[in-house]
Amino acid sequence: QKEVEQNSGPLSVPEGAIASLNCTYSDRGSQSFFWYRQYSGKSPELIMFIYSNGDKEDGRFTAQLNKASQYVSLLIRDSQPSDSATYLCAVIRQAGTALIFGKGTTLSVSS
Amino acid sequence: EPEVTQTPSHQVTQMGQEVILRCVPISNHLYFYWYRQILGQKVEFLVSFYNNEISEKSEIFDDQFSVERPDGSNFTLKIRSTKLEDSAMYFCASSEGRTRTSGTQYFGPGTRLLVL
Repeated sequence: QKEVEQNSGPLSVPEGAIASLNCTYSDRGSQSFFWYRQYSGKSPELIMFIYSNGDKEDGRFTAQLNKASQYVSLLIRDSQPSDSATYLCAVIRQAGTALIFGKGTTLSVSS
Repeated sequence: EPEVTQTPSHQVTQMGQEVILRCVPISNHLYFYWYRQILGQKVEFLVSFYNNEISEKSEIFDDQFSVERPDGSNFTLKIRSTKLEDSAMYFCASSEGRTRTSGTQYFGPGTRLLVL
């Protein structure tokens, strides 16, 4: 079983729509959860982190965490063509320091 | 805004040669990391470093790899005898700490390593 799983996509949404990105993780002891954005050929760029069950909002982005289901999601409201990128879900396991990444979901926002 | 910097941006080397990749972490950060990403694959953790010691390493980080903080600002990754399969983008990252609030890792722009 892969540690962090994401649907590779591509996920295509029209400009202005809500994009929903999902991630599951296998280590129930995982403590911290992150969403990074990666443009082609570039480094991961932090969008937001979450470590408590529930929702966390930051501008157009909302992260959702459900530890019982081992599930993390990212909602992007009012999607823009500039949001077109690969979105990486990452977790830090209990007592660890390493970010364990999923393969990423490619998002395409059409104008 | 403070950022992680890496040099060189690109490195081409012959198989069997040694390479050193350099990073300057964010100045008040205490934890440093190396990751790699083979083209088309996921970002993989190599090693984390704190207080001049390795705090965690992955199975990828074998004896051909080493890390060092040679002075107060640089953090280096050495690959002793490069193999074709070491061709990848190598990212350095740093964080203030390792708690939930301080453990957020910020990435440098990466060094693209090509082994011929």
